[in-house]
Amino acid sequence: KAGVTQTPRYLIKTRGQQVTLSCSPISGHRSVSWYQQTPGQGLQFLFEYFSETQRNKGNFPGRFSGRQFSNSRSEMNVSTLELGDSALYLCASSVQGYSGANVLTFGAGSRLTVL
Amino acid sequence: DAKTTQPPSMDCAEGRAANLPCNHSTISGNEYVYWYRQIHSQGPQYIIHGLKNNETNEMASLIITEDRKSSTLILPHATLRDTAVYYCIVVNNAGNMLTFGGGTRLMVKP
Repeated sequence: KAGVTQTPRYLIKTRGQQVTLSCSPISGHRSVSWYQQTPGQGLQFLFEYFSETQRNKGNFPGRFSGRQFSNSRSEMNVSTLELGDSALYLCASSVQGYSGANVLTFGAGSRLTVL
Repeated sequence: DAKTTQPPSMDCAEGRAANLPCNHSTISGNEYVYWYRQIHSQGPQYIIHGLKNNETNEMASLIITEDRKSSTLILPHATLRDTAVYYCIVVNNAGNMLTFGGGTRLMVKP
């Protein structure tokens, strides 16, 4: 079956712009979570959506937002981009949540460069 | 979530077993131990997870100590393609908010 698809794979923006990243989860997966990976901070949790509701949120400023659609596809948006937002943004999906026995499948990521 | 401690790097000879340790001394009774790996510039890949008992699948074995304060991931016959950063993560029942540490950079050498 198809894996987690993230688009675009690469993009370049300038400071002050905004960006929208898309994630299509594995068919049947209702939970989508987002992570930011930078060389300095490593992998950090951004937020998680389940059935169109944000269920968990990491420690990121309000410039980072997301949403989930009825077909479980998710988007995340970063407004007023800063140089420090340059990172690999990873999306992961799973069948459900609220269970420790819950495997995440990650996409290949969207690499954002802010100039 | 409980924090985990892993050595920053390890080397392993190709064909030999790779044993990656993880300390999670503050783990709670309902928290699982998960292992993921990340090959350069790709998304993390699930390897294995366990709660109390040792586990084995086609990729690896997971040995969890009786007190659950530490675990070891075993790749029985490491290949060059196993070169990656391996993350040990403790996950509770609160959802999919994984807390990644620094991981162990495993280098498999010919």
